[in-house]
Amino acid sequence: DARVTQTPRHKVTEMGQEVTMRCQPILGHNTVFWYRQTMMQGLELLAYFRNRAPLDDSGMPKDRFSAEMPDATLATLKIQPSEPRDSAVYFCASGFGAQGANQPQHFGDGTRLSIL
Amino acid sequence: TQLLEQSPQFLSIQEGENLTVYCNSSSVFSSLQWYRQEPGEGPVLLVTVVTGGEVKKLKRLTFQFGDARKDSSLHITAAQPGDTGLYLCAGVRGAQKLVFGQGTRLTINP
Repeated sequence: DARVTQTPRHKVTEMGQEVTMRCQPILGHNTVFWYRQTMMQGLELLAYFRNRAPLDDSGMPKDRFSAEMPDATLATLKIQPSEPRDSAVYFCASGFGAQGANQPQHFGDGTRLSIL
Repeated sequence: TQLLEQSPQFLSIQEGENLTVYCNSSSVFSSLQWYRQEPGEGPVLLVTVVTGGEVKKLKRLTFQFGDARKDSSLHITAAQPGDTGLYLCAGVRGAQKLVFGQGTRLTINP
């Protein structure tokens, strides 16, 4: 079965450090989503891309977070500088279609980020 | 304020019992999705309901979308330990963001 691949699976680093999380969407999918999951807030959408173009990043703190899709097989989410409140599990999901979020989304297994 | 409220947040029952999980909102959604998430993994889509009043069945799981498309329920018949997990509902407004509920953490005891 095709899967969304996220790396690294775990990341522990000190506050102030740059963190880069990577996602390989399912081949052929044209939409990529970044989510953050915490116990307090649940699953929150940070940003999403269609055909590599950013469509919505209103859920993402702009001062320290950035999301890009350098090519169709790679999406990145960067945090610089990182803060302890950024500790969470970050999920990437991909899908196919022209209906925005109203399409089945296939999730990766997440990057568990801990900022000390 | 959570746009989608799920209840209960936690549920622990014995194998063989029936249960219902609710997903409620004051907002109308164009569609609603249900996911199940297991520890250390991402959510996996179970079903999408689109039409008000729609009922979909997936083996022992029955999903219903409210007539006004503001709420949904998930009913599990004769629960099994393999049903244990975090159940998430997610609503779509127009063609925009998918908004998730906080989830219902379900434990089925053998």
